[in-house]
Amino acid sequence: RKEVEQDPGPFNVPEGATVAFNCTYSNSASQSFFWYRQDCRKEPKLLMSVYSSGNEDGRFTAQLNRASQYISLLIRDSKLSDSATYLCVVNKANSGYALNFGKGTSLLVTP
Amino acid sequence: ETGVTQSPTHLIKTRGQQVTLRCSSQSGHNTVSWYQQALGQGPQFIFQYYREEENGRGNFPPRFSGLQFPNYSSELNVNALELDDSALYLCASSRRTSPYNEQFFGPGTRLTVL
Repeated sequence: RKEVEQDPGPFNVPEGATVAFNCTYSNSASQSFFWYRQDCRKEPKLLMSVYSSGNEDGRFTAQLNRASQYISLLIRDSKLSDSATYLCVVNKANSGYALNFGKGTSLLVTP
Repeated sequence: ETGVTQSPTHLIKTRGQQVTLRCSSQSGHNTVSWYQQALGQGPQFIFQYYREEENGRGNFPPRFSGLQFPNYSSELNVNALELDDSALYLCASSRRTSPYNEQFFGPGTRLTVL
């Protein structure tokens, strides 16, 4: 079983739609959780850190459920510029500060 | 604030050769991590450097090695290149004292091994 698993995608949604990405992680000792965004042939960019209480940044809301080892990202009012691959990221438990990435879910927002 | 920079941006090598990739960390950051991203996959952790010492290593063979310098910049060296080493190599910097240890990536070096 992969350490971080994401929805396979791709997600094709119209502008203005709400889209949700889900992610599960296997190691219960993981302590830090993130969503990164990666545009084609570019580096991953930190979108949000995910806190235990859940957090919101504008149109983006992240949730963490430690009991279920589940992380989600909700994007409201999708924009064309939201088209990218979204990577679920968990720190590698018992290996310091290394990050464990999911394979990513591709989002295409269409006019 | 200066972001993470990497050089070169692209590189083409042949099997058996050696390569050195370079990374300058973001100002104020003291930790550098290296990742390999194959096409269609998420980045895979290679190793991390803190205080000029390797501080954690992923599932990569010893022919992948690195250095960190007093100014926190870093190098990734790969010996005896194989075709499967073709990938995007990403460097990320972070501040060890940050409670959440958020990592910020450079633009990457795209390595092609022929």
